[in-house]
Amino acid sequence: DADVTQTPRNRITKTGKRIMLECSQTKGHDRMYWYRQDPGLGLRLIYYSFDVKDINKGEISDGYSVSRQAQAKFSLSLESAIPNQTALYFCATSPLPQGYNEQFFGPGTRLTVL
Amino acid sequence: AQSVTQLGSHVSVSEGALVLLRCNYSSSVPPYLFWYVQYPNQGLQLLLKYTSAATLVKGINGFEAEFKKSETSFHLTKPSAHMSDAAEYFCAVSNSGGSNYKLTFGKGTLLTVNP
Repeated sequence: DADVTQTPRNRITKTGKRIMLECSQTKGHDRMYWYRQDPGLGLRLIYYSFDVKDINKGEISDGYSVSRQAQAKFSLSLESAIPNQTALYFCATSPLPQGYNEQFFGPGTRLTVL
Repeated sequence: AQSVTQLGSHVSVSEGALVLLRCNYSSSVPPYLFWYVQYPNQGLQLLLKYTSAATLVKGINGFEAEFKKSETSFHLTKPSAHMSDAAEYFCAVSNSGGSNYKLTFGKGTLLTVNP
């Protein structure tokens, strides 16, 4: 059974549409993260959350918003999608307390914005 | 601030040959270092991690990495490549200070294994 799941796995949408990507985890971890992956750029942090009341912007949060509905659920929204948000999106989790921040990744959502 | 540089965006080796993927880091405090692997159409899987214990770290699938503070490096090696090792590899750093939530990734190295 997957510990970190993401839905949908693939999504094609049009410019201007609102899109929500969902992440669920059964690992019992407190920390959750959203990254995007672009070819040749590695992974970049969009948002992160230490618990349901603690949400923080990462390095590329413009154009995105998040919601931490419960310890196990962390959703990423694109309010008005644009083509340069076409990317592979990953959710990750890590436990607290843990000094070295090992993160566990979901399978990813491939988003295409036309 | 912390950063990671992976030298070589694409490395190609023959099956049975040595695999060497290079990673150099920058961190103002003692780092924690990770190698992740991404197989096609999959998420990232942890290969190994350095957390300030032994400097030579052994991971899954026969990979290992050596932390060299003087060279600020954490290169990944495997003595004999297998076809199944073809994937993209990411080096990442987090720090032991107050901002240890942040995992900074390199841009990745795509490993191709030729028969």
